[in-house]
Amino acid sequence: DSGVTQTPKHLITATGQRVTLRCSPRSGDLSVYWYQQSLDQGLQFLIQYYNGEERAKGNILERFSAQQFPDLHSELNLSSLELGDSALYFCASSPQQGGEQYFGPGTRLTVT
Amino acid sequence: KNQVEQSPQSLIILEGKNCTLQCNYTVSPFSNLRWYKQDTGRGPVSLTIMTFSENTKSNGRYTATLDADTKQSSLHITASQLSDSASYICVVRNQAGTALIFGKGTTLSVSS
Repeated sequence: DSGVTQTPKHLITATGQRVTLRCSPRSGDLSVYWYQQSLDQGLQFLIQYYNGEERAKGNILERFSAQQFPDLHSELNLSSLELGDSALYFCASSPQQGGEQYFGPGTRLTVT
Repeated sequence: KNQVEQSPQSLIILEGKNCTLQCNYTVSPFSNLRWYKQDTGRGPVSLTIMTFSENTKSNGRYTATLDADTKQSSLHITASQLSDSASYICVVRNQAGTALIFGKGTTLSVSS
């Protein structure tokens, strides 16, 4: 158990819908990262927040957005969902910006 | 374009044998290079992290090497066990800390 929690564990929704994925970092960690992993694909870095501010951006679509709240939990919002958005979404946290990352168990999103 | 290439794509070995996984990168300059182990359907777990000035780092039966001149890293697994069956991912962070570039991973299968 990494200490990072993600909810929900599974999510099934229809195309065109909007969903929110939630991540609670390890106690004391200031950095949160979001990743997407499609079937048979490698991990794709989406975005990083540090103490509430966006710090790095990867291959995140304009339909996706994220934020980190004052209590350091983070949410990833996915809108106008497409079939291709079906994937595992991982959150990771670290104490600093570039330190060791601890991954959560992931949220499996299925778009039908 | 910053890239991380891993080889082989997949590997099957017998329990007890050693193996070496390769990672070539073009990210320059870089901050650090990490190797992760990811079991199917679960979040990655960090094995090693090396800065550009480090040549080798060990974690039990896992030993990572880094040659910053040739931009190559390898992960050597000694006396493989069935539980080593997983995907091994090489990740490079750029020096500015604004990008994390992931390799597609090597899928290792250890059979008895």
